[in-house]
Amino acid sequence: RKEVEQDPGPFNVPEGATVAFNCTYSNSASQSFFWYRQDCRKEPKLLMSVYSSGNEDGRFTAQLNRASQYISLLIRDSKLSDSATYLCVVNIVWGDKVIFGPGTSLSVIP
Amino acid sequence: DTGVSQDPRHKITKRGQNVTFRCDPISEHNRLYWYRQTLGQGPEFLTYFQNEAQLEKSRLLSDRFSAERPKGSFSTLEIQRTEQGDSAMYLCASSPPRRQGEAYGYTFGSGTRLTVV
Repeated sequence: RKEVEQDPGPFNVPEGATVAFNCTYSNSASQSFFWYRQDCRKEPKLLMSVYSSGNEDGRFTAQLNRASQYISLLIRDSKLSDSATYLCVVNIVWGDKVIFGPGTSLSVIP
Repeated sequence: DTGVSQDPRHKITKRGQNVTFRCDPISEHNRLYWYRQTLGQGPEFLTYFQNEAQLEKSRLLSDRFSAERPKGSFSTLEIQRTEQGDSAMYLCASSPPRRQGEAYGYTFGSGTRLTVV
């Protein structure tokens, strides 16, 4: 089993739609969680950290369920500019390396 | 420029040649990481440094790969006797000193795209 798994995608949604991405991780001792965004042929960029209580940043909401070892990202009112690959990222040992999921591709269609 | 810099941006090399990539992290960041990414996959961890100490190396990092960070500032990643399977994007990232309880994301450089022909 891979350490971090994500919905394979791709997701093709119309502008204005709400889309949710799911991610599971295998190591119950994992400490920190993130969502990164990666545009085609560009480097990954931090979208948001994921906190135990859940957190929101504008149209983006991240949730963490430690018991189920599950992380989610919800995007409301999708924009064309949201088209990218979304990477679920887990830090197992605090301060140590992070592990990336394979990513889920999103295309927002006019 | 206060971001992570990588050089070169692109490298095309013949199979069997050696290549070296450089990464300059954000100046106040003490941790530096190397990842490799192939098309359609997430980045895979290769190795990381805290200051000049190499703290972990992935099984992916075969004997042909070596990384250094001699003065705790910039880092180099060398691949000897390149193979076609080494073709990938090599990403460098850095992060600041950690304070307990705070989750820091990494800042990535733009990567070096290696093509082995």
